[in-house]
Amino acid sequence: NAGVTQTPKFRVLKTGQSMTLLCAQDMNHEYMYWYRQDPGMGLRLIHYSVGEGTTAKGEVPDGYNVSRLKKQNFLLGLESAAPSQTSVYFCASTLGSLSYEQYFGPGTRLTVT
Amino acid sequence: AQSVAQPEDQVNVAEGNPLTVKCTYSVSGNPYLFWYVQYPNRGLQFLLKYITGDNLVKGSYGFEAEFNKSQTSFHLKKPSALVSDSALYFCAVRPTGTASKLTFGTGTRLQVTL
Repeated sequence: NAGVTQTPKFRVLKTGQSMTLLCAQDMNHEYMYWYRQDPGMGLRLIHYSVGEGTTAKGEVPDGYNVSRLKKQNFLLGLESAAPSQTSVYFCASTLGSLSYEQYFGPGTRLTVT
Repeated sequence: AQSVAQPEDQVNVAEGNPLTVKCTYSVSGNPYLFWYVQYPNRGLQFLLKYITGDNLVKGSYGFEAEFNKSQTSFHLKKPSALVSDSALYFCAVRPTGTASKLTFGTGTRLQVTL
């Protein structure tokens, strides 16, 4: 099993450009999450999904959109990138509400200039 | 709302010595508590969890953590540190019934030297 994979690994955007980050998991997990990691701030939840076709806002959702059209994929979109969105983005998944630990992808480092 | 505090930005310890990385939490109801480790340029890896039962939880790579309800703490420990343990450690809490959403602390960098 590949576990949780993320593409791309690195990206540089100019302010105002758009992009989509892809997260894929092959563990048949129901729940998926997008986090951002910034120095001194730990990980903060952006959006999450509790199943195919469902999404919900996390702690810092502004400026991001998500979609979960297929159970194994969770997409994070930036419609108009801003320098404040420079961060490392992590996707995670877990089996369901009765499971506990989350499994993380390797991360995407995004720089917005 | 739940929160996690990791009061030390960095912990320095010599190889072979015991290590402790501190974590305190605030949550309504019974907490589920976790420790994750992050090596440079990698994602987070699960180390151990407390759900219920024995207050001393054993995890991967010889790490353990002690749940203390009265002090609302969940400190990570290891009897004998290795240089390879050097990494960023995150404590996280999940309240019951919250779609498995985790709240993370800000992280503690562990530096183990020879």
